[in-house]
Amino acid sequence: DAGVTQSPTHLIKTRGQHVTLRCSPISGHKSVSWYQQVLGQGPQFIFQYYEKEERGRGNFPDRFSARQFPNYSSELNVNALLLGDSALYLCASSLDRARGYTFGSGTRLTVV
Amino acid sequence: AQSVTQLDSQVPVFEEAPVELRCNYSSSVSVYLFWYVQYPNQGLQLLLKYLSGSTLVKSINGFEAEFNKSQTSFHLRKPSVHISDTAEYFCAAAPPSGGYQKVTFGTGTKLQVIP
Repeated sequence: DAGVTQSPTHLIKTRGQHVTLRCSPISGHKSVSWYQQVLGQGPQFIFQYYEKEERGRGNFPDRFSARQFPNYSSELNVNALLLGDSALYLCASSLDRARGYTFGSGTRLTVV
Repeated sequence: AQSVTQLDSQVPVFEEAPVELRCNYSSSVSVYLFWYVQYPNQGLQLLLKYLSGSTLVKSINGFEAEFNKSQTSFHLRKPSVHISDTAEYFCAAAPPSGGYQKVTFGTGTKLQVIP
């Protein structure tokens, strides 16, 4: 079975641009979460979606948005990119919280 | 709200020596606890988890962690490390029920195994 897949793997953007990151969860997983991992730090929670509805949002500005599609895949959008948005963006899917969360390999975003 | 503290940012240890990576959590309610491992330029891999029941949990590659409610700790141990264990390890906590499934991570501990 395929794991959590994220695309693209690497991305370079200029300040002020917007970016869309994509995530396909493990088949059967209805919950998708997004995390930001800045170099040298632990992942920080951005969003969680379940059955296409936003279930939770971390302490991130409104420039960050996300959505989940009927096939449970998800997109993370970031507008007006700042240098500080440079990070590894991780997507995680789960069947239920007791089984843990499976992470993708992430998208490395560099803002210049 | 929950928080996770990993006091050691880096832990160097010689190959075949034992290691302990420390993790303390703070939460007003019960939590699920996890250890994840991250190899360079990769995502996170679940190493082991504590949900309830036996306080000692083990992974398939020789790691174990013990939940200690009185000390609010979930330290990770391995009796004999290998070079391949060199990676960054993250302790994490999540609420078992209610609300949304936010996982709170510690800041990570880099395990460096020295040949």
